[in-house]
Amino acid sequence: AQSVTQLDSQVPVFEEAPVELRCNYSSSVSVYLFWYVQYPNQGLQLLLKYLSGSTLVKGINGFEAEFNKSQTSFHLRKPSVHISDTAEYFCAVSDYTGGGNKLTFGTGTQLKVEL
Amino acid sequence: GAVVSQHPSWVICKSGTSVKIECRSLDFQATTMFWYRQFPKQSLMLMATSNEGSKATYEQGVEKDKFLINHASLTLSTLTVTSAHPEDSSFYICSARDLGAYPDEQYFGPGTRLTVT
Repeated sequence: AQSVTQLDSQVPVFEEAPVELRCNYSSSVSVYLFWYVQYPNQGLQLLLKYLSGSTLVKGINGFEAEFNKSQTSFHLRKPSVHISDTAEYFCAVSDYTGGGNKLTFGTGTQLKVEL
Repeated sequence: GAVVSQHPSWVICKSGTSVKIECRSLDFQATTMFWYRQFPKQSLMLMATSNEGSKATYEQGVEKDKFLINHASLTLSTLTVTSAHPEDSSFYICSARDLGAYPDEQYFGPGTRLTVT
């Protein structure tokens, strides 16, 4: 069984400041890791994903995340946020079993960017 | 990029009636589609995995007779909420797995807001 913990339910930050959204996972097998963004009343948009290879993953909108196997973490970062980054962010994990792997989501972090 | 649509985007129905939600992959084939439910300010809860041409696999605690899923083609899956009640009001999101993509690439629809009065 897998689980995802997003330690912060809300993160307020001023515009142009850096931000880190934390994500820790638990799994008995190797995993794929994802970050999604959800704007109000919309579906999910993939920000970035880690499948294998380099542990630093760059995504869209200037976001990046680092996979740390020893700490079972996959924290999301952005060096300078914009008002338009205000949204809900979900970390998710799936395992290596084939045939339509299921995603397990964290509880989400609301990023609120203020002027 | 891969696009998934949902219809309707918003629906209000009376208690006791049934509502059908469609999920379509517009530019790729999807043997597997997933249905999620999201309550306000909460995470997505997987309800069921829909496989083309076979019965859906429901997660524990999800009533299969209440949430009927049909995946009749490689581009369409439907979720029917039967005899809807106010507690079924929620945001329903589908996702589709692209056959031609690296494993685990799921594309999400924009969601359907269901309100049962």
